[in-house]
Order: sequence, then C-alpha cells, then structure tokens
Amino acid sequence: DIQMTQSPSTLSASVGDRVTITCRASQSMSSWLAWYQKKPEKAPKLLIYKASSLESGVPSRFSGSGSGTEFTLTISSLQPDDFATYYCQQYNSYPNTFGQGTKLEIK
Amino acid sequence: EVQLLESGGGLVQPGGSLRLSCAASGFTFNIYAMTWVRQAPGRGLEWVSGIRESGDVTYYADSVKGRFSISRDNSKNTLYLQMNSLRAGDTAIYYCAKDRTSSWYEAMDVWGQGTTVTVSS
Repeated sequence: DIQMTQSPSTLSASVGDRVTITCRASQSMSSWLAWYQKKPEKAPKLLIYKASSLESGVPSRFSGSGSGTEFTLTISSLQPDDFATYYCQQYNSYPNTFGQGTKLEIK
Repeated sequence: EVQLLESGGGLVQPGGSLRLSCAASGFTFNIYAMTWVRQAPGRGLEWVSGIRESGDVTYYADSVKGRFSISRDNSKNTLYLQMNSLRAGDTAIYYCAKDRTSSWYEAMDVWGQGTTVTVSS
C-alpha cells in the first residue's frame, strides 16, 4: 500500500499569508493525487485533482504541484474561509490512502 | 442537483452488524465508481472501500477487509456498506463519495453529509 505523509501537521498563519503544505508518498507514483478541504461538521471538499488541476468552482488562490513522491498544495493569499484541515489522497493504486491531515490555524 | 444521502448509522454493540446505504440522485449512477470514507472522532479521513461501476470489482482497506462488504444496486441508484464484526475502532462518521468522472483513476468530487456509526456496549 502507498503511505502518504503530510507536513506540517499543524500550520499557524494569518489572513493574506502564502502557505504551502507538503505530501510525500512512500513510493513513486503518477500524478493521481487529490487535495481536499475538511471543516468540522461538513463533508470534505475536493480542491485539486491530478496533482495540479483545479476543481471547478475552487478559487484560483489554491494550486497544486508535484510528481513522483512529493506533492504540494499552496494557498497564495489566505482568506478567513480557508482555515480548515487539508488532506492529500492518492488514487494511483488501491487501497487509496489519505495523508494524516494538516490543520491550518489562525495565528 | 447531484446528491448523495447516507443512512443506516446508529449505535451497535461490539461484534454486531450494520448496513449503511447511500442514495444517489442527479447523475447517472451506473457509470461512476463509488467509495466509502470514514472519520473517527478526533482523527483524519480514512479510505474504507471502493467499488467499480458495474459492482464486480471491489477494494478494501486492510482495517476492514474480511469484515465489511461494499455493494451497489444500479437499478436503485444506491450504494451499500455491510459492516460485520464491528469494533470500537469502527466508530466514525461514514461518508459515501462519487468519482469525478468515469475514468479509472479519479478523485472524489461529490460527498454525502455522512452517517454516524457508534460501536459501544
């Protein structure tokens, strides 16, 4: 199984900041990687698919990049609505697996 | 409107069984793979099980293999998760989700609101 490791686990930032979250895979994989935003009491929301493709309706301040074993999610200018937990997920092979999550907190 | 609505959660004793359902609407159900994902209290998202479009190919996380069974009824636009030999560690909110397209490799673009399963004596 492919293990996904996110860093950092927690990130404190301010509105307007640029932040980057990293996701590392335990083995080299294609670009079948997604990023989700999760807020309490809400269903996960797809942000990025195929490592760098922006899901329809998602603000352009979100971007993804990477290949092989290292992937990143960048938020160019944090907005108040962005404070949430973010998860990467590989769908390169079954069982699909999630990273452990990165909680983005207000500084 | 594309929608997924889970049901069937509840309180069950360790060793018991439960069947979750996920009713789909607003899209052509039988051309999309479907997935169950769960989130235990205070924990992250965990991929549980997936099923291809026709229902003949299924996948499971190691943590549920041999205890859970995923299935679908394309005539009823409904996804199921049969959960047997339940343990306290299965306590979680269970979400169903659809693939973004009918391609083999896909992310999940639509999620239900979740149904809560509590395993406790």
